[in-house]
Amino acid sequence: EIVLTQSPGTLSLSPGERATLSCRASQSVSSSYLAWYQQKPGQAPRLLIYGASSRATGIPDRFSGSGSGTDFTLTISRLEPEDFAVYYCQQYGSSPNTFGQGTKLEIK
Amino acid sequence: QVQLVQSGAEVKKPGASVKVSCKASGYTFTSYYMHWVRQAPGQGLEWMGIINPSGGSTSYAQKFQGRVTMTRDTSTSTVYMELSSLRSEDTAVYYCARVRWLLRRFDAFDIWGQGTMVTVSS
Repeated sequence: EIVLTQSPGTLSLSPGERATLSCRASQSVSSSYLAWYQQKPGQAPRLLIYGASSRATGIPDRFSGSGSGTDFTLTISRLEPEDFAVYYCQQYGSSPNTFGQGTKLEIK
Repeated sequence: QVQLVQSGAEVKKPGASVKVSCKASGYTFTSYYMHWVRQAPGQGLEWMGIINPSGGSTSYAQKFQGRVTMTRDTSTSTVYMELSSLRSEDTAVYYCARVRWLLRRFDAFDIWGQGTMVTVSS
């Protein structure tokens, strides 16, 4: 099973700032099958990025993903008030699918 | 529009079983794999398993082997997740989630149900 470790656990930033979230895998993620999700309280997760760097339909271009192998990054270029939420990475290239423990992005 | 609508909240006693439904609409039901993911209160996301709505084949996380059964009804475009021998640690929100692209088993989840809260308490 591939273990995903996200850092930091909590990130405190202000609107307008840049956010950089990290996801490290215990072994290489095949074919860059790495996704990022955003989850707000009381809501289902929302797909942001798939294939490590492709934005899902309707996702603003301030969200970008990068990385390969075992190290992946989600960058939010300029934070909007609605971006404060919990973010999860997921690898779906091998079974079982696994998720990181999440990074909480909070308003400073 | 494409959507997944899940059944309502459940309260169960330890040792009982629960069956959660997920009704799909707005797309060809048999063309997209479906997953189940759960989230305990205040915790992260945990993958439970996958079902191919076309043939009904399944694959479960080892943690749930022997306790979980995923089925589908193509006549109503509905998938089901049944979890047996419930214990307090199974208290969680259960989500169904569809893969992003047709006929792809290994894919991200682009459509999610609204979630079903299952509470296990004596």
